[in-house]
Amino acid sequence: GDSVTQMEGPVTLSEEAFLTINCTYTATGYPSLFWYVQYPGEGLQLLLKATKADDKGSNKGFEATYRKETTSFHLEKGSVQVSDSAVYFCALRSGGSNYKLTFGKGTLLTVNP
Amino acid sequence: DGGITQSPKYLFRKEGQNVTLSCEQNLNHDAMYWYRQDPGQGLRLIYYSQIVNDFQKGDIAEGYSVSREKKESFPLTVTSAQKNPTAFYLCASSIGRGSAGGEHNQPQHFGDGTRLSIL
Repeated sequence: GDSVTQMEGPVTLSEEAFLTINCTYTATGYPSLFWYVQYPGEGLQLLLKATKADDKGSNKGFEATYRKETTSFHLEKGSVQVSDSAVYFCALRSGGSNYKLTFGKGTLLTVNP
Repeated sequence: DGGITQSPKYLFRKEGQNVTLSCEQNLNHDAMYWYRQDPGQGLRLIYYSQIVNDFQKGDIAEGYSVSREKKESFPLTVTSAQKNPTAFYLCASSIGRGSAGGEHNQPQHFGDGTRLSIL
């Protein structure tokens, strides 16, 4: 079945540092890939998505590129802010899983001033 | 504003008691979902519904029940059979099958969650 593996946290960075959160996946067919962000005590918000190979999703300075050859969708940001502190989830959705979302376990990011 | 509303934000259950979590959406979405979130385990799917009056079990349906009598509502009941109900419960919705570009391209939109605890 489908699965998502993302780097374990917690990740602690100083403000303005470069961020990478790794995400790899296994799936049947051609999945769509998503990054969600969860701030403390809240639900999940869609951060960005990519629906086919080589697509780049971007939002709020975050980027991720759909790499079919390496089955990866790594999240990056060039300069993090304290307000980026949250839990980040990588997820995929494919017809092979009857359109259910499959999530990674989440990565806690803490950005210090 | 369109969105998903979950209530209550906090809920307490006594032993042997059933409790119902509310989820309402005004996004005109066909599909709705319930997830359970535990620390360090990500999100696990409890039940989902792709159309009114129809729903399917997810990966951890035991001890839970749902109904989908209206398009905008998808309540979740945590029954006394659920032995470890303490968790953060998240409801989501998405455009259903037949959407342009394919259903799998569509993201799910989430509510703010209900935190359930045992007294």
